Amino acid sequence: AQSVTQLDSHVSVSEGTPVLLRCNYSSSYSPSLFWYVQHPNKGLQLLLKYTSAATLVKGINGFEAEFKKSETSFHLTKPSAHMSDAAEYFCVVSGTDKLIFGTGTRLQVFP
Amino acid sequence: NAGVTQTPKFQVLKTGQSMTLQCAQDMNHEYMSWYRQDPGMGLRLIHYSVGAGITDQGEVPNGYNVSRSTTEDFPLRLLSAAPSQTSVYFCASSYYRTGYEQYFGPGTRLTVT
Repeated sequence: AQSVTQLDSHVSVSEGTPVLLRCNYSSSYSPSLFWYVQHPNKGLQLLLKYTSAATLVKGINGFEAEFKKSETSFHLTKPSAHMSDAAEYFCVVSGTDKLIFGTGTRLQVFP
Repeated sequence: NAGVTQTPKFQVLKTGQSMTLQCAQDMNHEYMSWYRQDPGMGLRLIHYSVGAGITDQGEVPNGYNVSRSTTEDFPLRLLSAAPSQTSVYFCASSYYRTGYEQYFGPGTRLTVT
């Protein structure tokens, strides 16, 4: 069975500082992993996805994530936060015909 | 392309009432799904469909029905609304199953009193 754990429910950073959102997964086979972003009162948008090609995945808006099989992690990073990055972020693993969502990390960005 | 559309945007029901949340996509996607989003719980899968005429249960199917008579439409029916069904509901679609990017609708905010 697949599962995903987001290690922080809230992360606060100052504008211009790095962002790290942590995600661990569990899967009995090589998974497809995703990060989605949800801005307030909006639907979800795909940031990036890993599907067993390169382990470092680049996404939209300067985000990237690294797949580490030995650590079963798929952490999301960005070198420099922008005010517009304030949102909720979901780590997602693909199961058999189902997506399993983490509980989300709310990112706050302070000026 | 309109993408994934959902109606209504907001709905208030009384306990015991029934209603249908509409979802449509114009991208010819095979896979469609319904999620509910509750604070602190992420998104939980209610029902999904891998093609017209095929549906299956997700993590939290009780109290909900679905059908998929066409590729484009995937309505979600609440049979007898309960306060526990107060939530935000999202419909999503993708080209083929879950390894592909999911396209989400804007959501329906449902309150059951």
